[in-house]
Amino acid sequence: GEDVEQSLFLSVREGDSSVINCTYTDSSSTYLYWYKQEPGAGLQLLTYIFSNMDMKQDQRLTVLLNKKDKHLSLRIADTQTGDSAIYFCAESPNTGGFKTIFGAGTRLFVKA
Amino acid sequence: DTGVSQNPRHKITKRGQNVTFRCDPISEHNRLYWYRQTLGQGPEFLTYFQNEAQLEKSRLLSDRFSAERPKGSFSTLEIQRTEQGDSAMYLCASSGLTGDLETQYFGPGTRLLVL
Repeated sequence: GEDVEQSLFLSVREGDSSVINCTYTDSSSTYLYWYKQEPGAGLQLLTYIFSNMDMKQDQRLTVLLNKKDKHLSLRIADTQTGDSAIYFCAESPNTGGFKTIFGAGTRLFVKA
Repeated sequence: DTGVSQNPRHKITKRGQNVTFRCDPISEHNRLYWYRQTLGQGPEFLTYFQNEAQLEKSRLLSDRFSAERPKGSFSTLEIQRTEQGDSAMYLCASSGLTGDLETQYFGPGTRLLVL
């Protein structure tokens, strides 16, 4: 079945880079996403990557996709205290529907 | 448009009672989704609508759960005979095309506590 796994916690110092990793099982996934959730707020789409790409850069965010290993990572450069949140990796399986499968989320702590 | 809104934001109920949640999507979006999120987990897909048609339902959506979107605009999610295991955050999302990506925009959620 479809499954997305992430490490639960990451702690970094302000100004350092953060790397959040994710593995997924569905090799037919079309889109892979990173969402951010702050306390009391809904999920916010940060960035996404098509399954036929291996890298995407968007300002401080870099997404790397290793399709062979089904591994996705999100790198946040120059991490700020405002980046403290839960980051969810997600995939859209190519089942013809529009449901999205989420990982359990990685809680990022940024120390000043 | 102020985005996806959900009401109420919080609901406390006793076991066995019925509850109903409402979601107002972004007005031009024709797809609407319901997810459930428990503590320490990511959102789990429950169901989705295209206009007023409910096109996909998860096996998580037991017979006690029913969702409607009568006129293809707002949606309601009803839980009958609530159980303590229903305690969770219920998230609604709507989607529209952003470039070539069907982007889901999430509401703030309704947090349900069943005592």
